[in-house]
Amino acid sequence: GAVVSQHPSWVICKSGTSVKIECRSLDFQATTMFWYRQFPKQSLMLMATSNEGSKATYEQGVEKDKFLINHASLTLSTLTVTSAHPEDSSFYICSASMTSGRTYNEQFFGPGTRLTVL
Amino acid sequence: DQQVKQNSPSLSVQEGRISILNCDYTNSMFDYFLWYKKYPAEGPTFLISISSIKDKNEDGRFTVFLNKSAKHLSLHIVPSQPGDSAVYFCAATYSGAGSYQLTFGKGTKLSVIP
Repeated sequence: GAVVSQHPSWVICKSGTSVKIECRSLDFQATTMFWYRQFPKQSLMLMATSNEGSKATYEQGVEKDKFLINHASLTLSTLTVTSAHPEDSSFYICSASMTSGRTYNEQFFGPGTRLTVL
Repeated sequence: DQQVKQNSPSLSVQEGRISILNCDYTNSMFDYFLWYKKYPAEGPTFLISISSIKDKNEDGRFTVFLNKSAKHLSLHIVPSQPGDSAVYFCAATYSGAGSYQLTFGKGTKLSVIP
């Protein structure tokens, strides 16, 4: 149980195009989804937190107009990288959290999406 | 300012021996700590966690120790196996973080040599 999928697993695009990445919780309802990016040999950096049906909360330094997040249902969140540039090339990982009644809601991570912008 | 620090980027251990991965934190509000294991091109998978009310939590070959006064935690793996070779991330959160956002360290790459 508690499986999170991401699609696509890798994508190569030209500079200036937009790329959409999907994150799905397959066997549970995710009240909260998180989007991270990871550069080589670096930590996972939280980009934004999204709750179903409301606007995402972005971390400082993350451009909300560039990284559009939609959390339309309890099982799907999308991250759209608009007008992608080579510096946006990174490994993007989502995680999903369910309301479990415990004090700390465990996050379940997707397998990640490797984005390469040429 | 990095609130969670893993100062050793890599560690090599012989199979069967103990692996000790260290993590330090600076934010005294953190009250829950987690270790994740990550293989290349995959998302992190949860390994073990510990609440600040405890100083030790054990799960099979994995034990996490927490020293609150030193703001230090460590993950012990014994005996180490080649399949344990991966990047290990330490993460921290606190109950006031709303959605329980995690703050990650940079990770330590563990190589277990057969």
